[in-house]
Amino acid sequence: GENVEQHPSTLSVQEGDSAVIKCTYSDSASNYFPWYKQELGKRPQLIIDIRSNVGEKKDQRIAVTLNKTAKHFSLHITETQPEDSAVYFCAASFGANNLFFGTGTRLTVIP
Amino acid sequence: GAVVSQHPSWVICKSGTSVKIECRSLDFQATTMFWYRQFPKQSLMLMATSNEGSKATYEQGVEKDKFLINHASLTLSTLTVTSAHPEDSSFYICSARVWSSYNEQFFGPGTRLTVL
Repeated sequence: GENVEQHPSTLSVQEGDSAVIKCTYSDSASNYFPWYKQELGKRPQLIIDIRSNVGEKKDQRIAVTLNKTAKHFSLHITETQPEDSAVYFCAASFGANNLFFGTGTRLTVIP
Repeated sequence: GAVVSQHPSWVICKSGTSVKIECRSLDFQATTMFWYRQFPKQSLMLMATSNEGSKATYEQGVEKDKFLINHASLTLSTLTVTSAHPEDSSFYICSARVWSSYNEQFFGPGTRLTVL
């Protein structure tokens, strides 16, 4: 099955700086890669996703890049704000199969 | 769109009792719903995949007789934790899949179960 690894497990940045979270996956057939943000005690919220036919996708301060050859994808948050502090999860799946989640990254934005 | 609700949001029960958690897709039909368990500071672990009108598919290590799943309609799936024990205390989250070419899932708000 698919195995998703995520790094780092914790990340602290100064407000206004950029944050980068990286994930690798093992199954070359995976073609859908969402990123979720989870605040303490709340549901994971889909913040951005990318499909295997695209190398990069951007939505305001958030961007995701995908390298299919290397089987890794990254989340980039620019101009970080305190409200970006949360746990971020990457995930991967193939078609209609289950999502496989990374282990999460706890991002802290220091005001 | 794509709103998923979950009830109850939290529950405290005595050891040995059973607890039912409901997951509803409010504005779309979900042929497939997923049940996850999340322990503190850990990732989401898939417990089972629930398909409307058929038996759930359980992940390895998840006892199907302990975690009963019923997906009786296109908008409702239920998870019943039978004979709950303190080690079952966790955050249970459901998600529903929006059918498309890819696997977009939207999560419910979760249910925090505490077994005394």
